[in-house]
Amino acid sequence: AQSVTQPDIHITVSEGASLELRCNYSYGATPYLFWYVQSPGQGLQLLLKYFSGDTLVQGIKGFEAEFKRSQSSFNLRKPSVHWSDAAEYFCAVATKHGSSNTGKLIFGQGTTLQVKP
Amino acid sequence: NAGVTQTPKFRVLKTGQSMTLLCAQDMNHEYMYWYRQDPGMGLRLIHYSVGEGTTAKGEVPDGYNVSRLKKQNFLLGLESAAPSQTSVYFCASSYTGGTEAFFGQGTRLTVV
Repeated sequence: AQSVTQPDIHITVSEGASLELRCNYSYGATPYLFWYVQSPGQGLQLLLKYFSGDTLVQGIKGFEAEFKRSQSSFNLRKPSVHWSDAAEYFCAVATKHGSSNTGKLIFGQGTTLQVKP
Repeated sequence: NAGVTQTPKFRVLKTGQSMTLLCAQDMNHEYMYWYRQDPGMGLRLIHYSVGEGTTAKGEVPDGYNVSRLKKQNFLLGLESAAPSQTSVYFCASSYTGGTEAFFGQGTRLTVV
């Protein structure tokens, strides 16, 4: 079955430090992968996506993610975290029915990022 | 450009009451989705629609019904609310199944 795992429920980093949020997926075909961010009381905002091509993808707010097929991972990184990055982050994979994209997303459990001043 | 708008933003229901959540998008998207978000479980798909007049079940459809009479609107109904339906509900839309989804701001529902 398709699934997404975010091993870290909660992460705390100091402002200015680097960040890596882990995401592992289980999917039979080439996945469409996403990272979303959710600020408290808000909806989800897309940070970046991977459909195909270059395995290192750049997103908004200085985030990037690397798709590693051999490790079934799509980890999110940022070289220097800002206090405003404190939020909950979700990794997701879009499912397919045969060769067609259904658009349905399977989400990980989420990682809450706390930023220390 | 409003994007995806959900109505209402907050609601408290008594067990057994019914209600309808409205989702409206102004991006001419074909696909629309309803998810629920519960602590520690991420978001789970309730129902979705791949076009006007179509609906399909997602991962957790029990206790919910949906309708897509107009392309821009996707309604989620609870016929007889239960405390287990206390959650935050998110609507999303996408142009096709292979493009990114845009999310609404969410509806926080409490069933007492």
